[in-house]
Amino acid sequence: AQSVAQPEDQVNVAEGNPLTVKCTYSVSGNPYLFWYVQYPNRGLQFLLKYITGDNLVKGSYGFEAEFNKSQTSFHLKKPSALVSDSALYFCAVRDGGGTASKLTFGTGTRLQVTL
Amino acid sequence: GAGVSQSPSNKVTEKGKDVELRCDPISGHTALYWYRQRLGQGLEFLIYFQGNSAPDKSGLPSDRFSAERTGESVSTLTIQRTQQEDSAVYLCASSLFGGYQETQYFGPGTRLLVL
Repeated sequence: AQSVAQPEDQVNVAEGNPLTVKCTYSVSGNPYLFWYVQYPNRGLQFLLKYITGDNLVKGSYGFEAEFNKSQTSFHLKKPSALVSDSALYFCAVRDGGGTASKLTFGTGTRLQVTL
Repeated sequence: GAGVSQSPSNKVTEKGKDVELRCDPISGHTALYWYRQRLGQGLEFLIYFQGNSAPDKSGLPSDRFSAERTGESVSTLTIQRTQQEDSAVYLCASSLFGGYQETQYFGPGTRLLVL
């Protein structure tokens, strides 16, 4: 079975500082990993994904994520946080070794960026 | 082009009533997914449609839940005899063919409140 863990319910960071939102996963086959962001009363917006190739993936709004196979992690990062980055962030995985058609999501991490 | 749209955006109903939620996927997308997001939790997969294949209903929580899709267009999710625990945001997503590496694009969701 595929699963995702986001160990932090909330991450607080000052504007201009680097941010990291953690994600670890478990799959039986090759992982396909995704990050989404959710603003209040809005649907999920796609940020970036890892399929294969370069372990550092760049996405929208200056976000990037690093795939680490040995640590089964896919942490979301940004060099310099903005107040407007404050939102709920979800990590998700699809298991290339199974027949599952669904994305399995973590419970989400709320990012709070303050001045 | 237009994204995934859902209606209604909000629905308040009384316990025991039936509700119907609608999803219009991105034009040309053959794969369509329904998820449920309970307050403070991640997304739970409900059902997946791909072209003319039999839907993957493995995530439906009970036989009160059903969904239909007409061809490669609109889908409706029906909840019969609603219960208070059905209160959640119901999110619809679509992707081009349903492949593992494809991005799923989400609609804004329908917020359901069962009194």
